Amino acid sequence: GESVGLHLPTLSVQEGDNSIINCAYSNSASDYFIWYKQESGKGPQFIIDIRSNMDKRQGQRVTVLLNKTVKHLSLQIAATQPGDSAVYFCAVYGGATNKLIFGTGTLLAVQP
Amino acid sequence: EPEVTQTPSHQVTQMGQEVILRCVPISNHLYFYWYRQILGQKVEFLVSFYNNEISEKSEIFDDQFSVERPDGSNFTLKIRSTKLEDSAMYFCASRPQGFSEQFFGPGTRLTVL
Repeated sequence: GESVGLHLPTLSVQEGDNSIINCAYSNSASDYFIWYKQESGKGPQFIIDIRSNMDKRQGQRVTVLLNKTVKHLSLQIAATQPGDSAVYFCAVYGGATNKLIFGTGTLLAVQP
Repeated sequence: EPEVTQTPSHQVTQMGQEVILRCVPISNHLYFYWYRQILGQKVEFLVSFYNNEISEKSEIFDDQFSVERPDGSNFTLKIRSTKLEDSAMYFCASRPQGFSEQFFGPGTRLTVL
């Protein structure tokens, strides 16, 4: 079955630095990938998504990179701010109903 | 901006009791989901619901669980006889036809004693 995992459980960065959060997935047929941000006590919040026909997508201060060859996904956050402190999950779509299969999460801690 | 809402925010119950967790999805959405997150772990899929029936369910979603859309706006998750291991955050999500993004509610924290 599909599994999604993260390389680093905790990432600590200085305010203003760039952050990179990594994720690996197992199913080469996966075609839709999403990054979610989860702040303490809240539900997952959509950040950015990418389809398998792309290898890079940019949003506001965030970039997602997809390497299908090695089944790897990364989220880059530019000029990290204290408000970016949260747990970040990658997720892939699985099954006919587009259920989300989440990775284990990376805690991003931004030091002022 | 429309959002998914969930009630209650926190539910405490005794083992063996029935609980009903409630969700109001965004009004024009057609696909509904329940997920759960045990403390410190990843979010896990429970069930998806479309056209008034379950379209997919996970191994976690056994006979103790049921979902219902009783009145066209609410979407409920019932656990008939709660177990200690049901303690978790339960998230409802919805999405519209033709779009991939799922919108999550704030969650209900279920504590089974």
